[in-house]
Amino acid sequence: GESVGLHLPTLSVQEGDNSIINCAYSNSASDYFIWYKQESGKGPQFIIDIRSNMDKRQGQRVTVLLNKTVKHLSLQIAATQPGDSAVYFCAENYGGNDYKLSFGAGTTVTVRA
Amino acid sequence: NAGVTQTPKFQVLKTGQSMTLQCAQDMNHNSMYWYRQDPGMGLRLIYYSASEGTTDKGEVPNGYNVSRLNKREFSLRLESAAPSQTSVYFCASRGFGAGANVLTFGAGSRLTVL
Repeated sequence: GESVGLHLPTLSVQEGDNSIINCAYSNSASDYFIWYKQESGKGPQFIIDIRSNMDKRQGQRVTVLLNKTVKHLSLQIAATQPGDSAVYFCAENYGGNDYKLSFGAGTTVTVRA
Repeated sequence: NAGVTQTPKFQVLKTGQSMTLQCAQDMNHNSMYWYRQDPGMGLRLIYYSASEGTTDKGEVPNGYNVSRLNKREFSLRLESAAPSQTSVYFCASRGFGAGANVLTFGAGSRLTVL
């Protein structure tokens, strides 16, 4: 599969502000995208997903936006909290029903008090 | 529920040694996966098992073998470890129905090959 990349390796955010994490993908055939959060010393944890027939999906304090025209994915976190400090990965499914994920390199989010 | 359990958490090997990373899930999931994570990179798929009795190669299978021992367990073996295999290894499982699109990851196994 083709790689999925993130625009910025690090992001520093003031507590209470909104965070936006960006991701560019290259496989136009990808039909499913996922955001994961990884805290230090732990495995990745599912945050939210979106299918290619949607352009926006909202969860609790998180929103994922998908722009297929420019192959761009973003994760918005509202009212960022210290517990949001982590590495965030976007991933695309290139394996169809076998569900094989290709991950980007990740963005490290640091929340300033 | 324990979720996905990996052992060992840490291991140091010498070049040429062999070892097996163990993974077990208690969620009755059909599919299981092994990924490796290197600094500054995303996770890369080594092998996966869509169901008990089946295994398939992922992006980076060279130097590894896997065994889907039963529905719960999926092991990863390094027959002759190389320094390039120094990495953090993650096992994951995937459910069905409402959880079919969610990978649940273990806490990782950090392997150093000298």
